[in-house]
Amino acid sequence: GAGVSQSPSNKVTEKGKDVELRCDPISGHTALYWYRQSLGQGLEFLIYFQGNSAPDKSGLPSDRFSAERTGGSVSTLTIQRTQQEDSAVYLCASSLGQGNSGNTIYFGEGSWLTVV
Amino acid sequence: GNSVTQMEGPVTLSEEAFLTINCTYTATGYPSLFWYVQYPGEGLQLLLKATKADDKGSNKGFEATYRKETTSFHLEKGSVQVSDSAVYFCALSDRSGANNLFFGTGTRLTVIP
Repeated sequence: GAGVSQSPSNKVTEKGKDVELRCDPISGHTALYWYRQSLGQGLEFLIYFQGNSAPDKSGLPSDRFSAERTGGSVSTLTIQRTQQEDSAVYLCASSLGQGNSGNTIYFGEGSWLTVV
Repeated sequence: GNSVTQMEGPVTLSEEAFLTINCTYTATGYPSLFWYVQYPGEGLQLLLKATKADDKGSNKGFEATYRKETTSFHLEKGSVQVSDSAVYFCALSDRSGANNLFFGTGTRLTVIP
């Protein structure tokens, strides 16, 4: 597609339930990022995929969070046993290569998760 | 470590006013610096960037100069428009090894006619 696509755009879930958030990066982009934006906070890095390399999971806040990227394209972020502090906007981004090489990182519109 | 500190908002300006949003950074290496903008109902978009000291990034009338001596990357625009109302994020990427962007908390700008 023309841009990074995320679904669902909004999700309300009960505490303790699992949720899956999906990201379709821009076609041809090898790098994919997940960020979290909590109310009043900056963007928090969660995980980074680059091609077939092992993902950089250093930003995942707990073992309840995991992410996969199938076939080097679509990615799913899974949050198990959701807690109220997980409520945030989850942003996916992609780029041609490593963002720190100067390649522009393009963001999706985000998935707004509310845990009640 | 790496971090970005930017001016807290919200900022409210009249149309055609001068805008400055301050951003300072801490980095372990030699970062690239970015300003991203998030318009209402849209995703984050890259506004401008600078990859080395003394570089000036510019786009849509906005400018920011990479100042290594003051570790700053302040965003400026000489005459804001209502359409500039958005949230602005300063960010850095540390090219010494990190694979991600470090963001500030964002500054909400509202321009009134």
